[in-house]
Amino acid sequence: DQQVKQNSPSLSVQEGRISILNCDYTNSMFDYFLWYKKYPAEGPTFLISISSIKDKNEDGRFTVFLNKSAKHLSLHIVPSQPGDSAVYFCAARGNYGGSQGNLIFGKGTKLSVKP
Amino acid sequence: DVKVTQSSRYLVKRTGEKVFLECVQDMDHENMFWYRQDPGLGLRLIYFSYDVKMKEKGDIPEGYSVSREKKERFSLILESASTNQTSMYLCASSLWGSTRDIQYFGAGTRLSVL
Repeated sequence: DQQVKQNSPSLSVQEGRISILNCDYTNSMFDYFLWYKKYPAEGPTFLISISSIKDKNEDGRFTVFLNKSAKHLSLHIVPSQPGDSAVYFCAARGNYGGSQGNLIFGKGTKLSVKP
Repeated sequence: DVKVTQSSRYLVKRTGEKVFLECVQDMDHENMFWYRQDPGLGLRLIYFSYDVKMKEKGDIPEGYSVSREKKERFSLILESASTNQTSMYLCASSLWGSTRDIQYFGAGTRLSVL
């Protein structure tokens, strides 16, 4: 059973416009959420994160929004650039039991930003 | 800068071979992880370790084992490689007890089993 879901396998956006990537989760025990970006033939790199005590975190062109009641988070990229074309993974930390430090990843969304 | 180094970028092995994938991190992190990434399946956790000589099964440990003899090194072993283990393998490390639990990844090893 998937605890972290990225329901859109792909997204195509025009350069300069906003990209919105969505992520849903099922476990209310998750207390920390992260977004990673992955280029082909490279490892994922950390992009931005948010604690469950916040509803928004911003870093330059990247903003993550968290709606705990809906168990939903989203990553906004404004403005989108061709270099943002990559696979984006949403991840959640379940800080319970003996699994401290483990992350549960979604399946990823492939973003294509067209010039 | 955190650096996680995987010994090989590409590997081609034959069915039945014993395969070793090596991972070294230079940030004195306690936690280390092995994932595999397959199209449409995302990142799936194979094994992880919180300390030297300690290991825990992840979501898909079957057909794999691990070794952590030194803090900086975490090895993934395919005892008898099979074609369904053809995949991208990713190693990661993180600091134990961190409030942020950011995992840092290596560049990955693309393994083909023929």
